[in-house]
Amino acid sequence: AQSVTQLDSQVPVFEEAPVELRCNYSSSVSVYLFWYVQYPNQGLQLLLKYLSGSTLVESINGFEAEFNKSQTSFHLRKPSVHISDTAEYFCAVSNKAAGNKLTFGGGTRVLVKP
Amino acid sequence: NAGVTQTPKFQVLKTGQSMTLQCAQDMNHEYMSWYRQDPGMGLRLIHYSVGAGITDQGEVPNGYNVSRSTTEDFPLRLLSAAPSQTSVYFCASSPNYNEQFFGPGTRLTVL
Repeated sequence: AQSVTQLDSQVPVFEEAPVELRCNYSSSVSVYLFWYVQYPNQGLQLLLKYLSGSTLVESINGFEAEFNKSQTSFHLRKPSVHISDTAEYFCAVSNKAAGNKLTFGGGTRVLVKP
Repeated sequence: NAGVTQTPKFQVLKTGQSMTLQCAQDMNHEYMSWYRQDPGMGLRLIHYSVGAGITDQGEVPNGYNVSRSTTEDFPLRLLSAAPSQTSVYFCASSPNYNEQFFGPGTRLTVL
């Protein structure tokens, strides 16, 4: 079985400050890792993903996440946030044996303040 | 492409009523799934399908039925609605393990 823990349910942050959202996972096999973003009253959109290769992955809007196998973590970071980054962020895991079945963390709500 | 569409956007039911949440995708994806989203619990998988005619249970299947007669459509049926099924429901489709594409969601309230 696989599981995901997002350690912070809410993260308030000032505009232009850095933010880190923590994600830890548990799995007995090799994993694929994802971060999804949900803007208010919308569905989920893929932000970035780790499938294999470089452990540092980046999104087009300045987010990055690093896969750390020894710490079973996939933390999400952005060096300078904008008001438009206010959203809920979900970490998710899957693996080849599980097929396309995603297991989600509980979500982290980011509120960017001016 | 419209992507993944869901209808209705909002629904209010009384306990014991039945209804079907509709989901359609036009990307020719084999894999489709239904999730429910509840505060603090992320998204939990209800049912999924790896192709037309093939469905299987996810983490929280009780009280829900699905069928997959075509690649495009994957309806979710609530047979006898209960207040515990008040939630936001998301349908998703995927061509592989790489990425899932989510619909806009259906907000369901059961009184």
